[in-house]
Amino acid sequence: GEDVEQSLFLSVREGDSSVINCTYTDSSSTYLYWYKQEPGAGLQLLTYIFSNMDMKQDQRLTVLLNKKDKHLSLRIADTQTGDSAIYFCAVFSGYALNFGKGTSLLVTP
Amino acid sequence: DVKVTQSSRYLVKRTGEKVFLECVQDMDHENMFWYRQDPGLGLRLIYFSYDVKMKEKGDIPEGYSVSREKKERFSLILESASTNQTSMYLCASDTLGESKDGEQFFGPGTRLTVL
Repeated sequence: GEDVEQSLFLSVREGDSSVINCTYTDSSSTYLYWYKQEPGAGLQLLTYIFSNMDMKQDQRLTVLLNKKDKHLSLRIADTQTGDSAIYFCAVFSGYALNFGKGTSLLVTP
Repeated sequence: DVKVTQSSRYLVKRTGEKVFLECVQDMDHENMFWYRQDPGLGLRLIYFSYDVKMKEKGDIPEGYSVSREKKERFSLILESASTNQTSMYLCASDTLGESKDGEQFFGPGTRLTVL
């Protein structure tokens, strides 16, 4: 099956940029997603990128996709304390989403 | 807005009890999913359903069963709860073909503790 890997923890200072990285194995994946989970809540779709794109920007969020290296990243500009959460990379495998283990982002004042 | 609701936010059960977790979505989605989330393991797919009365095993179906009698409702059943089923359970739904492939909408989760 699809393997989706992410680092487990990231700590940044408020106002800095955060970059969360993800690698995957299935080169036929069509859509790739970033979900955010705040404490005690379910997952919310943050952004996505289609596999024929290299980059997608949405306000403070930038998604970069390197299909050759099967590498996806999420950059959050001007990170705020409210961005502290778990971020999941997810790749569509044909019938379901395969999720990474999630990256816990801690934003310190 | 798509709404996915789960019957309980917190549940405490005893070993050996039969447990029902209910999930309801209001957007006429064909596909529904049950995941469990554990620290360090991320989300793991238990079962999913792509139509009424249809079900497919996910990655970790052992110890679980599901029921989909109506399109909007997908139930997860623990026939005889065990302590290793203590976890956060997340329900999700999506509709292939009408939105981005794989975009799923999640409920708030049920934190189940089995004593």
